[in-house]
Amino acid sequence: QKEVEQDPGPLSVPEGAIVSLNCTYSNSAFQYFMWYRQYSRKGPELLMYTYSSGNKEDGRFTAQVDKSSKYISLFIRDSQPSDSATYLCAMSGGNFGNEKLTFGTGTRLTIIP
Amino acid sequence: DVKVTQSSRYLVKRTGEKVFLECVQDMDHENMFWYRQDPGLGLRLIYFSYDVKMKEKGDIPEGYSVSREKKERFSLILESASTNQTSMYLCASSFWSYEAGGRNEQFFGPGTRLTVL
Repeated sequence: QKEVEQDPGPLSVPEGAIVSLNCTYSNSAFQYFMWYRQYSRKGPELLMYTYSSGNKEDGRFTAQVDKSSKYISLFIRDSQPSDSATYLCAMSGGNFGNEKLTFGTGTRLTIIP
Repeated sequence: DVKVTQSSRYLVKRTGEKVFLECVQDMDHENMFWYRQDPGLGLRLIYFSYDVKMKEKGDIPEGYSVSREKKERFSLILESASTNQTSMYLCASSFWSYEAGGRNEQFFGPGTRLTVL
């Protein structure tokens, strides 16, 4: 069993829809949770960063962490074609710079105009 | 602006060749990482380095080595390339500081698509 499971998609939704992306994990030591966005032929870039359980909102994006269920989510409101990308969840047990990140496999998202 | 560059976007090599992938960051970051990205497997850590001349094995180091002679440069070496090393290779760097909010954000380069024939 992988430490981090993520539905690979692909996921296609119409413009303006609410998108929900999810990851589950098995390692209870994970405390720091991230969502990276990767456009085609580019490297991943950090989108959201959260610590422990709870919600964090940034514009149209909301990251949610439920440590009791070992489940994290990323919600995208009013989705735009520019949101079309692969979304990777990542997590670590610490927040020092040399901490290894464990990534999900990524979900490919397409927003249809 | 944060920048991680990789020497090649696309590379084609033959089985048995020695391959060098170069990564340079201009952010004075202590930590640098090499990943490979494959469909259905996500990003897998090959090696990382937390200081000059220091290196640590990641999850899949077999068939690879690394070199970090200068802080800004981290090289991935395939001693004898094989077809199962055909992949997208991503380099990343990170730092940690309390003043920056204590985040271990990794900054990625654009990737090198390596094909081994």
